[in-house]
Amino acid sequence: GQQVMQIPQYQHVQEGEDFTTYCNSSTTLSNIQWYKQRPGGHPVFLIQLVKSGEVKKQKRLTFQFGEAKKNSSLHITATQTTDVGTYFCAGHRQAGTALIFGKGTTLSVSS
Amino acid sequence: NAGVTQTPKFRILKIGQSMTLQCAQDMNHNYMYWYRQDPGMGLKLIYYSVGAGITDKGEVPNGYNVSRSTTEDFPLRLELAAPSQTSVYFCASSRGDRVVEETQYFGPGTRLLVL
Repeated sequence: GQQVMQIPQYQHVQEGEDFTTYCNSSTTLSNIQWYKQRPGGHPVFLIQLVKSGEVKKQKRLTFQFGEAKKNSSLHITATQTTDVGTYFCAGHRQAGTALIFGKGTTLSVSS
Repeated sequence: NAGVTQTPKFRILKIGQSMTLQCAQDMNHNYMYWYRQDPGMGLKLIYYSVGAGITDKGEVPNGYNVSRSTTEDFPLRLELAAPSQTSVYFCASSRGDRVVEETQYFGPGTRLLVL
């Protein structure tokens, strides 16, 4: 069935290092959304990408949607302790279908 | 706006007991969802609703029931609690103006422990 895979599952970095998480779908997606969940919290929407090859930036975060609309990445430059949490990608296969979530990448940052 | 609210925050159930997890949103969203989140397993869709009176099964509906009598409320019912239903449950909503490109807004979650 429809799957959205995320790697790595866990990542630990030193504060100031960069971090990247990758999201791969078995089928073409109509869009990609990224959510962040702080420890003990709930998922919070970060951004949505819709167009093939789209790149969006939010301060130190850079989001990409692949040309084939099957993969995406989130890159954080110079991580901070406030970046700690689990990052989920999610996408719709097509209009009218449910949002499919990846299992998430949990980021820990040590100062 | 309060956004999406969920009650209770935490509950312990005995095997075989029943309970209702409450979810409400005040954003006039058409779409509402119930997810469960197990450790390291991401979010799995239990049920969703595209409007009052309309519900549909998600990926893991067994053992649960839902109803949507109003736009605002979307309760999730567990009839015979089992240890496998120990999880964190999140309710979410989205506008529903467009089927694609919907941002979901999540509630704070209900932590359920079945012993």
